[in-house]
Amino acid sequence: NAGVTQTPKFQVLKTGQSMTLQCAQDMNHEYMSWYRQDPGMGLRLIHYSVGAGITDQGEVPNGYNVSRSTTEDFPLRLLSAAPSQTSVYFCASSLTGRETQYFGPGTRLLVL
Amino acid sequence: AQSVTQPDIHITVSEGASLELRCNYSYGATPYLFWYVQSPGQGLQLLLKYFSGDTLVQGIKGFEAEFKRSQSSFNLRKPSVHWSDAAEYFCAVVLADRGSTLGRLYFGRGTQLTVWP
Repeated sequence: NAGVTQTPKFQVLKTGQSMTLQCAQDMNHEYMSWYRQDPGMGLRLIHYSVGAGITDQGEVPNGYNVSRSTTEDFPLRLLSAAPSQTSVYFCASSLTGRETQYFGPGTRLLVL
Repeated sequence: AQSVTQPDIHITVSEGASLELRCNYSYGATPYLFWYVQSPGQGLQLLLKYFSGDTLVQGIKGFEAEFKRSQSSFNLRKPSVHWSDAAEYFCAVVLADRGSTLGRLYFGRGTQLTVWP
């Protein structure tokens, strides 16, 4: 099993550009989530999904969109990147939201 | 309102010394509690978790944590720290939605551990 994979590992964007951060898991987990990590802030939940076709907002959803068309994939979209979105992004999955979450290696995003 | 509090931003200990990292949560029911560790430039690795039962839980790398309901705490301990334990440690809590098996994971802001040789 590859576990949770994320691409790309590193990305530089200009303000206003759009991009999609990819996340995939091969553990047949229903629950998937996206976090951003900023110094001194810990990890904050952006969006999460409890199954294909079902998503909901977390603590800091503004500026981000998600969709879940399959169990395996949970992409995170930035429609118009802003410097405030410079961060490290982690995707995670678990059987249910209450179980241990398994994290991907992260995507480091720099918005200029 | 913050659900998880880690009051110590940075802790420095000598190698071989004991360690305790504090974590407090604010939640009415018994939450599901976790400790994760993150080495520089790496993802998060689960150290241990508490769902129910024995309030003293053992984890990997010689770590343990004790759930104290009366204090709303879940402190992480290790009797003898190794230089390789230097990392950032995160306490996390799952706040379960009412009537659902699902929940959302909330993290504390982390404690950076430095180990002196």
